[in-house]
Amino acid sequence: GQQVMQIPQYQHVQEGEDFTTYCNSSTTLSNIQWYKQRPGGHPVFLIQLVKSGEVKKQKRLTFQFGEAKKNSSLHITATQTTDVGTYFCAGLTSGTYKYIFGTGTRLKVLA
Amino acid sequence: DVKVTQSSRYLVKRTGEKVFLECVQDMDHENMFWYRQDPGLGLRLIYFSYDVKMKEKGDIPEGYSVSREKKERFSLILESASTNQTSMYLCASSPYRGSSYEQYFGPGTRLTVT
Repeated sequence: GQQVMQIPQYQHVQEGEDFTTYCNSSTTLSNIQWYKQRPGGHPVFLIQLVKSGEVKKQKRLTFQFGEAKKNSSLHITATQTTDVGTYFCAGLTSGTYKYIFGTGTRLKVLA
Repeated sequence: DVKVTQSSRYLVKRTGEKVFLECVQDMDHENMFWYRQDPGLGLRLIYFSYDVKMKEKGDIPEGYSVSREKKERFSLILESASTNQTSMYLCASSPYRGSSYEQYFGPGTRLTVT
């Protein structure tokens, strides 16, 4: 069946360093969403990408959707302790409204 | 603000018990979802519903059933709880049937089956 893999599974960075998580789908996606889950919390929507090659920015966060619409990335510039949490991508296949979530990347930021 | 509430934050049940997890959303959303979250596996879809009395299986429906008698309420039922159903259960909702809108998650229910 359709799979969405995320790497890395864990990442520890020093505060101020950059961080990137990658999401890869086994099938072409119609769109992709990103969520953040703080420790002890629930996933919260960050952004949705729809177009091939799309790039969106939210302050220090940059999101990209691959040209083939099978992969995506989230890059955080100059991490802060408030960035701690698990980041999930969720891909939607054309013709369904069932999102497949990636396995998540847990980010720890060391002050 | 959209609010999705779940009936319990923590629940401990015995093997073989019937378990009901309730989810209520207050924004008149068409779509509702039940996921389970396990370390290293991310969120896996159990069932979803795009309308009252409508349901579709997700990726891991075995051992679960659902009920949606009212638009705002989506229940997950474990007919006979087993230890491998110990997990965090997350409910979510999103607006507009067939669309690709963001999902709003509830706080989750951590279920332990002993």
